[in-house]
Formats: sequence, C-alpha cells, structure tokens
Amino acid sequence: GAVVSQHPSWVICKSGTSVKIECRSLDFQATTMFWYRQFPKQSLMLMATSNEGSKATYEQGVEKDKFLINHASLTLSTLTVTSAHPEDSSFYICSAQRLSGRAGEQYFGPGTRLTVT
Amino acid sequence: AQSVAQPEDQVNVAEGNPLTVKCTYSVSGNPYLFWYVQYPNRGLQFLLKYITGDNLVKGSYGFEAEFNKSQTSFHLKKPSALVSDSALYFCAVRVSSGNTPLVFGKGTRLSVIA
Repeated sequence: GAVVSQHPSWVICKSGTSVKIECRSLDFQATTMFWYRQFPKQSLMLMATSNEGSKATYEQGVEKDKFLINHASLTLSTLTVTSAHPEDSSFYICSAQRLSGRAGEQYFGPGTRLTVT
Repeated sequence: AQSVAQPEDQVNVAEGNPLTVKCTYSVSGNPYLFWYVQYPNRGLQFLLKYITGDNLVKGSYGFEAEFNKSQTSFHLKKPSALVSDSALYFCAVRVSSGNTPLVFGKGTRLSVIA
C-alpha cells in the first residue's frame, strides 16, 4: 500500500508554454501533499505544501503565480508550471501524507523530469 | 528551524566492507528522522525511520541507523556493502507534531566498488 504516482514521468515543452504535473495517492487519502524540486546533483527543495480544499502554502522565493498548485481532492494534487522557461527545467517530486496513520509518514512519487527548450 | 547536515558529498566503499553515511540534525522538539535512497532519474525510496523507542532502527535492504540524541546524529550503516547499493542517499527530519514537511540533507553519493 501507500503508492504515489506522478504523471507524466517526463515532459519536454517549449519556452512560454504551460505544463501540468499530476500527483496521485493511489490507495490512500492524503490530507497534505508536498511539492519538491531537485536540480542535478542537489537535494530536494520544498516548493509548497498543498492541503486539500485550501490554498497552497509556498516557500519563500517560490513564485505562486508561476507554480500553480491545486489540491482538488484527497487523492490528487496538480502543479502547473506557467510560462515555462529553461531555468524551470528540473526534477519535480511530490509526496503525500496519509489522512490517517502515524504522523511523519510521507510517501514519494517517482518524480517528473521537466525540460524546457 | 529544522536542518540536516550530511557532511560527505561522496563515500567510497569496497564491496563487502561495512559502510557508514553520516547525518546530523537540528530541530526544536522531538525529531522524526528518515533515510531515503534515490537511483538515477527515479524518485525517493524509503529505507528506514526513527520515531521513538529503540535507538537502533533496522530498515530495508539490510540498512540500519542509530539515533544518538546527545550527538544529534542518525548515521546510516550497513555491515557489508553491495555494488547495487551505489546510489544517492538522503537524510531527512521533521518535528514530531503537525503536518510539517520533511527537510532534507544535501545528499551523499555512495559508490561501492567491486
């Protein structure tokens, strides 16, 4: 149990276009989902915390108008990179925290590699 | 504020030898500590966690970690390394209360040489 999927697994888009990444908890309900980005050979940096039915909380330095997060249900959160630029190219990883269960139990998706040309 | 330090960017070990990947942390409150492994172009795989109880935690693939409160450390260990253990390892921490996100260390690349 506790599987988190991301779609797509990789995407290439042209500069100026928007890209939507989905994060789904397949066999559990998630009160909270987190979005991270990872640059090559670097650690995961938290971008935002997404709670079902409410606005996401963004980390300092993350543009909320550029990285739109929607947590429409207890099993789905989406990250939309708007007007993408080459510097947005990165590996985006989501994690989901169970509705019930021990605190601190987070499950990670396999990641989405975004390349903006 | 929470923080995690992984002092080594790279650890090289001969196959069959014991390995240690170091991690120290800083939190206000009781820590929940985690180790994850990442293979190239893949997401994170959970290895083990410390919540409470026994300081020695055993996890997946023969890995274990010891929580040391006085030294604020949570080093990852394995008695006998395999070439397939070569990957990027992340230590992470969160406080024990609330829906707070994990804070990750910068990662340590483990290379096991045959």
